Amino acid sequence: NAGVTQTPKFRVLKTGQSMTLLCAQDMNHEYMYWYRQDPGMGLRLIHYSVGEGTTAKGEVPDGYNVSRLKKQNFLLGLESAAPSQTSVYFCASSYSAQREQYFGPGTRLTVT
Amino acid sequence: GDSVTQMEGPVTLSEEAFLTINCTYTATGYPSLFWYVQYPGEGLQLLLKATKADDKGSNKGFEATYRKETTSFHLEKGSVQVSDSAVYFCALRYNFNKFYFGSGTKLNVKP
Repeated sequence: NAGVTQTPKFRVLKTGQSMTLLCAQDMNHEYMYWYRQDPGMGLRLIHYSVGEGTTAKGEVPDGYNVSRLKKQNFLLGLESAAPSQTSVYFCASSYSAQREQYFGPGTRLTVT
Repeated sequence: GDSVTQMEGPVTLSEEAFLTINCTYTATGYPSLFWYVQYPGEGLQLLLKATKADDKGSNKGFEATYRKETTSFHLEKGSVQVSDSAVYFCALRYNFNKFYFGSGTKLNVKP
């Protein structure tokens, strides 16, 4: 039981490049989330999903897209990376809205 | 708007010292309150929670009480260990997509 895993762990992009971050969970959770963590700030919700095939915007969705084609995977895409997207990205999942969120180890992204 | 404010770190303590990390919140309703811990290189883990006023959450020797009158949820531990060194986040939640985190407090415990 691996819990929540994230790929890759580190990435450096140039401005304008694109990439996809992969989150996978093996706990059969319905809910999945993407957060970003910036220095001196708490986590902020980017997008979330309440089930396979569904996605919704969180607090800071601009510049990101997501997809949940399979229940166990939640992908975060950056179509045209900007330096303001330099951050640590965390994925999380939960069984239901009321249950605990389980977090992945994070992806550190630098955009130059 | 809704927000969480916690004390800035780092907090450096000797082993067996008493720990308090302050957390206050601003909320328009009646949120649930949480403390998460993040160990180096890992994601956040739920440490404890309280869902209504006067509730006390506790886990692994840590405690926090939901104080509605002072809008606070301070984290305490009577005797810290080196293994408690981590970053601690206070958070409030209304529902699954309304989750507000504090900026985190780094704790360093020296032997």
